[in-house]
Amino acid sequence: SQQGEEDPQALSIQEGENATMNCSYKTSINNLQWYRQNSGRGLVHLILIRSNEREKHSGRLRVTLDTSKKSSSLLITASRAADTASYFCATDAWDGNNRLAFGKGNQVVVIP
Amino acid sequence: DVKVTQSSRYLVKRTGEKVFLECVQDMDHENMFWYRQDPGLGLRLIYFSYDVKMKEKGDIPEGYSVSREKKERFSLILESASTNQTSMYLCATNPGLQETQYFGPGTRLLVL
Repeated sequence: SQQGEEDPQALSIQEGENATMNCSYKTSINNLQWYRQNSGRGLVHLILIRSNEREKHSGRLRVTLDTSKKSSSLLITASRAADTASYFCATDAWDGNNRLAFGKGNQVVVIP
Repeated sequence: DVKVTQSSRYLVKRTGEKVFLECVQDMDHENMFWYRQDPGLGLRLIYFSYDVKMKEKGDIPEGYSVSREKKERFSLILESASTNQTSMYLCATNPGLQETQYFGPGTRLLVL
């Protein structure tokens, strides 16, 4: 099955800075989703971008999708200590089944 | 808001024990999923279900079984727990194909 892969794996930034992380995947998709996981908790959905969309915003989050390069990026602007978490991208399969393939995650630490 | 609950946050079991992990959702979602999460491996799909009494194997079903007798409840069963099943177990639901998945808080299982 296809799998999203995030890059970089770990990121440490100062509060107020922007954080950017990338995700690559291998096969065609219908949509790509980003999730956040605080330490020891379940995942929380952040944003879903469909294959016919190139950019999407939600508050301080900006997601881009480049289907020709099979990649996506998540930008968190003006980061806060509360943004410290792991961030996962997840892709579905073009064949329309309901499975998501998750990347291994990207640890972001925002230093106050 | 969608609420997904899992029966335990932490669980300690002995090798060979039969272990039941319960997941309950309150939003009448058709689809339910069980994942395990391990450091460096991300989330891996164990089993999922599209409807009551229906189940499908995910990527790593060996050593596990599931039960979905009612729409709101999806149980993961470790028939004979082994130490390599020590992990974080996450339940998720979604209302339809390729839609956002909503996660429970997770159960951290330790098998001794």
